Amino acid sequence: DGGITQSPKYLFRKEGQNVTLSCEQNLNHDAMYWYRQDPGQGLRLIYYSQIVNDFQKGDIAEGYSVSREKKESFPLTVTSAQKNPTAFYLCASSKLAGGNTGELFFGEGSRLTVL
Amino acid sequence: DAKTTQPTSMDCAEGRAANLPCNHSTISGNEYVYWYRQIHSQGPQYIIHGLKNNETNEMASLIITEDRKSSTLILPHATLRDTAVYYCIAHSGGSNYKLTFGKGTLLTVNP
Repeated sequence: DGGITQSPKYLFRKEGQNVTLSCEQNLNHDAMYWYRQDPGQGLRLIYYSQIVNDFQKGDIAEGYSVSREKKESFPLTVTSAQKNPTAFYLCASSKLAGGNTGELFFGEGSRLTVL
Repeated sequence: DAKTTQPTSMDCAEGRAANLPCNHSTISGNEYVYWYRQIHSQGPQYIIHGLKNNETNEMASLIITEDRKSSTLILPHATLRDTAVYYCIAHSGGSNYKLTFGKGTLLTVNP
């Protein structure tokens, strides 16, 4: 079945450590996104990518980095520069043309806890 | 994208229709109204979207007022599994790839 796979589902890290969250999609979608969600809050956009080897900052990109070397993959690195990294991270993808371009498909999320 | 306003929470009895309102008084002519829902600790799920006309699919119906300043998502026969946060989003699409999710409405379906 087509979909988006995020891993790991739960992750613990110590302060000062970088951590990379994986996101893979087999929907043949061009665009991919990373959102962050804090308890009781909506989703905030971190980074997005419309095409391989290109990505743009979202609303809260500081302390995060991404890469888009393959169409299927869009990993997110939470660096030690991110001051408050404990959160629920959601990856999504969408088509860019030919229909309902506002329909995002989300993964199940990765919950990061910094100890 | 235009700002949307939703109630913080709503309750509904199982088997009854759930009507979730959304105000988007500054919506522009090229912005669609999208609805998503998020069950606790899962990723959001697309439900439906519309521009001017009312829309219906297997999950829900979307009623948009004639002036497009507000809309209502209708779940015709709510079940306990419909308990979730529902997000209403105004989105123009095209070259705008950013969807803005607010805090949404927590719908609790009671037995």
